[in-house]
Amino acid sequence: AQSVAQPEDQVNVAEGNPLTVKCTYSVSGNPYLFWYVQYPNRGLQFLLKYITGDNLVKGSYGFEAEFNKSQTSFHLKKPSALVSDSALYFCAVRDEGRDDKIIFGKGTRLHILP
Amino acid sequence: KAGVTQTPRYLIKTRGQQVTLSCSPISGHRSVSWYQQTPGQGLQFLFEYFSETQRNKGNFPGRFSGRQFSNSRSEMNVSTLELGDSALYLCASSPDTGSPYEQYFGPGTRLTVT
Repeated sequence: AQSVAQPEDQVNVAEGNPLTVKCTYSVSGNPYLFWYVQYPNRGLQFLLKYITGDNLVKGSYGFEAEFNKSQTSFHLKKPSALVSDSALYFCAVRDEGRDDKIIFGKGTRLHILP
Repeated sequence: KAGVTQTPRYLIKTRGQQVTLSCSPISGHRSVSWYQQTPGQGLQFLFEYFSETQRNKGNFPGRFSGRQFSNSRSEMNVSTLELGDSALYLCASSPDTGSPYEQYFGPGTRLTVT
């Protein structure tokens, strides 16, 4: 069965420093991977996705993610964090060709410290 | 384009009652999915509808049901409410069904069961 793990419940980063939010996945077929962000009292917003092609995917608000097939990871990164990046981040995976349900991680709360 | 809308935004019910939540997808989107979000369990998939047919279902009891209308609007119903059903219920739409498509989320309905 497919699964996704976000090993850190919370990540603290100083403003201006690079940030990484980790995600690992398990699927039996080819993975389709997504990152979403949730601001307080809002629904989730799509950030970026990996379907195929380049392992480095660029998305909204300066975020990018690197697909690593051998490590089954899809970590979210940003070179320089902003206080406004503070939010809840979700990684999600779909298994191409299987039952095609989308599975979300439990989320990582990112705190950017001024 | 208008985003995904959900009504009502907040709801308070007592145990044993039933509730119906409504979701209007982005114009032109034919796939609608529902999720339950709780602090302990994260985001859990309830079901997905496409062209008025349930395409996928998560691991929730039969008390949770849904439907989709010909205009792609969707409703979900929870019968015999339990305290543990208190959660944020999110609706998401996408242009089509299937793996590559990202989802667009509504602001959610906050259900409190007392």
